[in-house]
Amino acid sequence: QKEVEQNSGPLSVPEGAIASLNCTYSDRGSQSFFWYRQYSGKSPELIMFIYSNGDKEDGRFTAQLNKASQYVSLLIRDSQPSDSATYLCAVVVTGGGNKLTFGTGTQLKVEL
Amino acid sequence: GAGVSQSPSNKVTEKGKDVELRCDPISGHTALYWYRQSLGQGLEFLIYFQGNSAPDKSGLPSDRFSAERTGGSVSTLTIQRTQQEDSAVYLCASSLVVDTQYFGPGTRLTVL
Repeated sequence: QKEVEQNSGPLSVPEGAIASLNCTYSDRGSQSFFWYRQYSGKSPELIMFIYSNGDKEDGRFTAQLNKASQYVSLLIRDSQPSDSATYLCAVVVTGGGNKLTFGTGTQLKVEL
Repeated sequence: GAGVSQSPSNKVTEKGKDVELRCDPISGHTALYWYRQSLGQGLEFLIYFQGNSAPDKSGLPSDRFSAERTGGSVSTLTIQRTQQEDSAVYLCASSLVVDTQYFGPGTRLTVL
């Protein structure tokens, strides 16, 4: 079992819709969770981090964490074509020091 | 500086040659990380520095890979006797707060 799992997609949503991206992790002791956006040919850009169970909102983005179920999700409201990118989920696993363990990413396509 | 910088942006080398990749972190960030991203692969952790020391080198794939950091700032990743499987994008990240990492633009390494 991979430590961090994401559906590779592509996930296609129409412009203006809500995009829902999901991530599961295997280490129950993980404490820190991150979402990065990566445009093709570019480096990852941090968009959200969450440490506590529940929701965290920042503009059009909402991160949701459920430690009991070991999943973290990212909701993008009012999706725009410029949101089309690969979204990477990253976790700091127990005993892993400070390094991030990444999922393989979900490709999001926002269609006009 | 405003962000993490890396040089060169692209490096093409011949199999068996040595290469040096440079990372200049965000000013004041004490932690520095190296990752690599191969085509079709996820982001893979290589090494982590806190100040000038490297408490976690667990991701270095072989003894051909080494890294150092001087003055708590600039870091150099050295790959000796490069192989074709070393071809990847090498990404550097830095953080002030433990685990909230910001990435540089990366160095694309191609080994012919």
